[in-house]
Amino acid sequence: GAGVSQSPSNKVTEKGKDVELRCDPISGHTALYWYRQSLGQGLEFLIYFQGNSAPDKSGLPSDRFSAERTGGSVSTLTIQRTQQEDSAVYLCASTPPSSYNEQFFGPGTRLTVL
Amino acid sequence: SQKIEQNSEALNIQEGKTATLTCNYTNYSPAYLQWYRQDPGRGPVFLLLIRENEKEKRKERLKVTFDTTLKQSLFHITASQPADSATYLCALDWNAGNMLTFGGGTRLMVKP
Repeated sequence: GAGVSQSPSNKVTEKGKDVELRCDPISGHTALYWYRQSLGQGLEFLIYFQGNSAPDKSGLPSDRFSAERTGGSVSTLTIQRTQQEDSAVYLCASTPPSSYNEQFFGPGTRLTVL
Repeated sequence: SQKIEQNSEALNIQEGKTATLTCNYTNYSPAYLQWYRQDPGRGPVFLLLIRENEKEKRKERLKVTFDTTLKQSLFHITASQPADSATYLCALDWNAGNMLTFGGGTRLMVKP
């Protein structure tokens, strides 16, 4: 079956512009996560959606970052007024309801802020 | 706060040898510990999960141990192959609540 998909795969933007990154989780997965991975680094948690509950936004680095999940499926991560330090790979993952927390990752979106 | 430490230096081994990667953590033990593989330009892929009350878990050539006294997990790949070359990440769930905290990963290079 189809895995987690993310779009675009690459995004180059100018400092100060807004960007939207999209994640399509695996159908039926109730939990969705966004992470950020800088070059050669581990994954930094950003935000977590579980079903219809309020999202856990504790990892968002600033109020320029926001995310929503519509209809319990597709999610969009928005970064406003991008800065050069926002350059990273943004990864999305989803988890089925019965999983022991195994996360299924998408290929990521590489964001470059010039 | 909880910290996870993985050796940031690459591990270089010869094909056929056993690779051993280490994941250390601080404070109290997690409910679950997972290992993922990540290839360049791709998202991590789940390999193994081990629970707090388990000492060891195996899957084909992979073995994971979990020592809550040492606050350490070891990840072994036996009979390593060049195709095993990748970055390996450990991830901890301290509250059994679907929230994972990832280590920085260790890059493994298996030379033919």
